[in-house]
Parts: sequence; C-alpha cells; structure tokens
Amino acid sequence: QKEVEQNSGPLSVPEGAIASLNCTYSDRGSQSFFWYRQYSGKSPELIMSIYSNGDKEDGRFTAQLNKASQYVSLLIRDSQPSDSATYLCAVRDSNYQLIWGAGTKLIIKP
Amino acid sequence: DVKVTQSSRYLVKRTGEKVFLECVQDMDHENMFWYRQDPGLGLRLIYFSYDVKMKEKGDIPEGYSVSREKKERFSLILESASTNQTSMYLCASTKRRGLNTEAFFGQGTRLTVV
Repeated sequence: QKEVEQNSGPLSVPEGAIASLNCTYSDRGSQSFFWYRQYSGKSPELIMSIYSNGDKEDGRFTAQLNKASQYVSLLIRDSQPSDSATYLCAVRDSNYQLIWGAGTKLIIKP
Repeated sequence: DVKVTQSSRYLVKRTGEKVFLECVQDMDHENMFWYRQDPGLGLRLIYFSYDVKMKEKGDIPEGYSVSREKKERFSLILESASTNQTSMYLCASTKRRGLNTEAFFGQGTRLTVV
C-alpha cells in the first residue's frame, strides 16, 4: 500500500516565524509532489508543486524535495494568521495516481 | 479560471434513500475523481474516471456507484444511504493522465444521513 505520511499536528507557530511542514512518501518511483491548503469547511487549493530535487520558492512559500530520503517539506516564512489551515501533501506515484496525506493542521498565533 | 462545481453545498438525507451528487467541470478535463473526507482520515478515493463512460474503483467504493455520460459531468450515487456515509464529499478534476497535472476541487458537499 503506497503511503504519504504527515504529522497531524496541530503545529502552533508564532506570527512572523517560519512554519515547517513535512511529508514522507513510500513509493520511490513518485515524480510529482504537491502542497494544498485547506481552510476549515472549504475545499483544498494548490499552493505549490515541485518535481525535481532541491528548493522551489514562491513568495513566502518554499517547497523542498529530497527524493533520496523520500521527503518533501513546505516552509512558510513570516507566518500570518491567515496561514492557519490544514496543509495536505499529495504525491503522484509511478502509476500516475495521486496519493494524499491526512494533512497537518497549522495554527499561527498572533 | 478552472471551475469545478458541485450541485449542493449541504444535503440531509434519510437512511435508505438513493442520493445523487453531481459534479461539473468547465475546462475540458479528461480525469475526474470523487473523494470523501473525514476528520483524521484525510482524502479517500471512492471512484475515478479517465474518460466518458469509463470508471474505476478507488480505495473505498463499497456502497457507491458513479456515472460519466458526458466528459464534463461525473455523478456519485449512494444506492441506499447509511449513517456511516455522513461525510464531506469532494469532486476533483485534472487535465490529463500525466505527471505534472494538479487537481482542481469543487466546493464540497457536506452530506448528513439521518
């Protein structure tokens, strides 16, 4: 069974600090990795995608991928209360299926 | 903008009723998916479809069926609703069967079976 693991949290971070969210996956043949944000009662929305090893930056968000260690992370710099949400990690495996983590709940404390 | 629209935001149905959840996307996406989401369990795939009239079972298909008569529309059917099917249902679509295609979600349907 292919798996994507995330710490469920909640992860509590002070406003203005860096929030670090982690995700590990089991299928070594996975090629595409996505981070979605989901506000309470709403549907997930894509915030970052990453396909090759290393870092990818987009504004306050940085996705990091390490295929050798099979983990992907999301860093949020200068965290704002509006970043409080559940963050879902999704991995497209070698069969093109999207495998989802259960999500990490992030709370930004003012 | 890609738009995935689910027919209802909230539904309350009685045990034993046949329930239809409709999903329509307007971006000519080939692939469509139905998930349910429960606290602590994340997104679980019920059924998916890569083409019109094509359907494949996901991880939890029991008690559900689907229909895809047109490319833009993917319907989820609860044949005889039960209380354990109370959940948030999410429809999603992707452009094609490729590696770098993101999923776009509808707004979700919160179904309560009483």
